[in-house]
Amino acid sequence: DGGITQSPKYLFRKEGQNVTLSCEQNLNHDAMYWYRQDPGQGLRLIYYSQIVNDFQKGDIAEGYSVSREKKESFPLTVTSAQKNPTAFYLCASSRTGGNNQPQHFGDGTRLSIL
Amino acid sequence: GESVGLHLPTLSVQEGDNSIINCAYSNSASDYFIWYKQESGKGPQFIIDIRSNMDKRQGQRVTVLLNKTVKHLSLQIAATQPGDSAVYFCAETPERMDSSYKLIFGSGTRLLVRP
Repeated sequence: DGGITQSPKYLFRKEGQNVTLSCEQNLNHDAMYWYRQDPGQGLRLIYYSQIVNDFQKGDIAEGYSVSREKKESFPLTVTSAQKNPTAFYLCASSRTGGNNQPQHFGDGTRLSIL
Repeated sequence: GESVGLHLPTLSVQEGDNSIINCAYSNSASDYFIWYKQESGKGPQFIIDIRSNMDKRQGQRVTVLLNKTVKHLSLQIAATQPGDSAVYFCAETPERMDSSYKLIFGSGTRLLVRP
């Protein structure tokens, strides 16, 4: 089945620790995205990548980092600089990064603080 | 979209009735719109999209209406079923190339289907 796989489903972070969330897609999509969702709210863009080896900051990039070394993979690191990391993290991809492209989502990783 | 905090607007409908979920979008230059459905603990699922050169588009049991004059989007679900219970988000994409990647999400509406 083609789709987007996020892992782990649940993740716990200790104070001062960096954690990495995995996102893999086998849709052959060029563009990938990371969003953060807080309870009862819409999605806010953290980072996006329109092509391999390139990525751009979204609206709330502070305290996060990404890499895009392979087309199918776009891992997100939540660093210790992110002071309020508890949220539901969603990865998405689209065929290209252009307009008129629906984004398709994985089933998310829920991050909590220990 | 602006956050409404923990209290999402909620629409409660009887099973079998039609549902209409509304969304006011923010950017008059937006030219592409999407409706997503999100069930608890899952990612948003694409339902239907529409371009700004259309005012209506139909899918299976769903219809999206676009009124650009008042910047309003609606999703109509026919013969609502219990499986339709979820949070529904509208999303828009601005026309400008430097933001063409970006989906701007509304804060969502919760649909509850009464048996």
